[in-house]
Amino acid sequence: EPEVTQTPSHQVTQMGQEVILRCVPISNHLYFYWYRQILGQKVEFLVSFYNNEISEKSEIFDDQFSVERPDGSNFTLKIRSTKLEDSAMYFCASSNSPGGPAEQYFGPGTRLTVT
Amino acid sequence: GESVGLHLPTLSVQEGDNSIINCAYSNSASDYFIWYKQESGKGPQFIIDIRSNMDKRQGQRVTVLLNKTVKHLSLQIAATQPGDSAVYFCAEGDTGFQKLVFGTGTRLLVSP
Repeated sequence: EPEVTQTPSHQVTQMGQEVILRCVPISNHLYFYWYRQILGQKVEFLVSFYNNEISEKSEIFDDQFSVERPDGSNFTLKIRSTKLEDSAMYFCASSNSPGGPAEQYFGPGTRLTVT
Repeated sequence: GESVGLHLPTLSVQEGDNSIINCAYSNSASDYFIWYKQESGKGPQFIIDIRSNMDKRQGQRVTVLLNKTVKHLSLQIAATQPGDSAVYFCAEGDTGFQKLVFGTGTRLLVSP
């Protein structure tokens, strides 16, 4: 069964450093998402991406964040200057349709720890 | 504003029992609802979804009920198994389903 993959599984970085989280969505999917989950809290939407552009973003997704689909398989989330409060699990998801019944498939996540 | 919340943070059941996990939502404009299961260290895993034009949908051992009058969603798991132990999130999709708004989660503990 196809699945979303994410690398690295755990990233430790110092405050102020740039990080890039990588995702490989399911190959025939066209809609891509990033979510984050602070430890013990609910999953929060960050951004959705379609046709090489952001289609929606949350208030969390400020100027420090950016997304890119550099080639036909990868989807990345960049945080330009990390803050302590950016520490969280970051999940990538993809779907082959924005509408139902088409679920978003989630990757295993990248745990980002900012020290 | 939008909000999706859960009544019970932890539900403990015995193996073989039926489990019911509840969720309240506040955005009456939402027309797509999903239940996800999240095991420790893993990403959310799709369980079942329901559109707002339905009030019940059944899957394998799971049933989702939607009550739009009181903005309530529930997940019923029949014959709960230890492998069902996880955190369960409800989520709602907005117009165009560009994002999912997740609830706070309920931890289901199944004792053998």
